[in-house]
Amino acid sequence: AQTVTQSQPEMSVQEAETVTLSCTYDTSENNYYLFWYKQPPSRQMILVIRQEAYKQQNATENRFSVNFQKAAKSFSLKISDSQLGDTAMYFCAFDYGGSQGNLIFGKGTKLSVKP
Amino acid sequence: NAGVTQTPKFQVLKTGQSMTLQCAQDMNHEYMSWYRQDPGMGLRLIHYSVGAGITDQGEVPNGYNVSRSTTEDFPLRLLSAAPSQTSVYFCASSYSPEPYEQYFGPGTRLTVT
Repeated sequence: AQTVTQSQPEMSVQEAETVTLSCTYDTSENNYYLFWYKQPPSRQMILVIRQEAYKQQNATENRFSVNFQKAAKSFSLKISDSQLGDTAMYFCAFDYGGSQGNLIFGKGTKLSVKP
Repeated sequence: NAGVTQTPKFQVLKTGQSMTLQCAQDMNHEYMSWYRQDPGMGLRLIHYSVGAGITDQGEVPNGYNVSRSTTEDFPLRLLSAAPSQTSVYFCASSYSPEPYEQYFGPGTRLTVT
């Protein structure tokens, strides 16, 4: 069975600083995808970044980047130049070919960006 | 495109009542799913559909029914509401069942008293 673990229930960071959110996963699959979703107070789930396991290069999206360590089954999210609008719950999620699109989510990390 | 829409946004039910949560998408997505989100938990899959007429169970299907008569709509029915079904419900859709970006609706907050 696939599992996703986020070990940091809450984190805080000063505006303009950098923060890293941790995620580890367990799977025996070789072809899979990892995602970070953001859920602001509005409750809307927003895709932040996506990583295909077969790609060695870490994904980046503007201020968001990941550190994907396949052997260690680790997928951390780095937010640079944190902004107040980054305050949200962040969920790490896992999907694999043949899963019928069933995302498996971690329990989330609540990030607060302080002015 | 409206994307994925859900109605209602909020609902309060009494134990034993039934109701249907509506979900619609206008992106011609084949794959649709329902998740529930409880405090301190990530989202958990209730039911999913890979196309009109095809549905299957997810991780937590008990107490819920679904059907998919059209590509656009995927309603979730609570047969006899229980306090344990108090949760936030999200509908999602994507182009295909293969790993791909899923588009989420705004959620329905359901309280069962």
